[in-house]
Amino acid sequence: GAGVSQSPSNKVTEKGKDVELRCDPISGHTALYWYRQSLGQGLEFLIYFQGNSAPDKSGLPSDRFSAERTGGSVSTLTIQRTQQEDSAVYLCASSFPFGGPNTGELFFGEGSRLTVL
Amino acid sequence: LAKTTQPISMDSYEGQEVNITCSHNNIATNDYITWYQQFPSQGPRFIIQGYKTKVTNEVASLFIPADRKSSTLSLPRVSLSDTAVYYCLVGDGAGLTGGGNKLTFGTGTQLKVEL
Repeated sequence: GAGVSQSPSNKVTEKGKDVELRCDPISGHTALYWYRQSLGQGLEFLIYFQGNSAPDKSGLPSDRFSAERTGGSVSTLTIQRTQQEDSAVYLCASSFPFGGPNTGELFFGEGSRLTVL
Repeated sequence: LAKTTQPISMDSYEGQEVNITCSHNNIATNDYITWYQQFPSQGPRFIIQGYKTKVTNEVASLFIPADRKSSTLSLPRVSLSDTAVYYCLVGDGAGLTGGGNKLTFGTGTQLKVEL
């Protein structure tokens, strides 16, 4: 597709359940980011993938959160044993690496809104 | 990573010029300054990026003083559709450091434009 695609767009789950959120980045983009945005708040960095390098997981809030990126393309963010405080919009972004003519501009998806009851 | 400080909110009227200033006192030599715009229920969108002096594109201008400890996003003749949250980011680039490009968003500035 032309842009970053995220699914599902909305997810309602019960406390304690596991959820998986998917991100399809723009073709050719080697960098992929996951952010979390709670209502009325700024974006909280979660994890960053760049090519075949080890991901930067420094933003993951707990060990219930994990993410993988298969084949350098699609990424899945998994939240185990969801809690009510996990409710937020999860945004994925991709970009070419910064350098040369590339500004490192992040292209964001529409986000996945997670509600934990 | 350099921390940024922006006003929480600003109000303006249609047709006015709006200047949003961001402080980044501990900006590093390799850091670039990037601004994003976010509308409700959408992901942020890139507006402009600069390293020093002034950068202008079809949407905005970015003014960066010589010490680079702050930057100002200038939106000429705003309209109602410019009502959004504006984020200032500071981060290095993979091309410069080889260490990857990780950008951290703050809470942003909520700009409200009225008639």
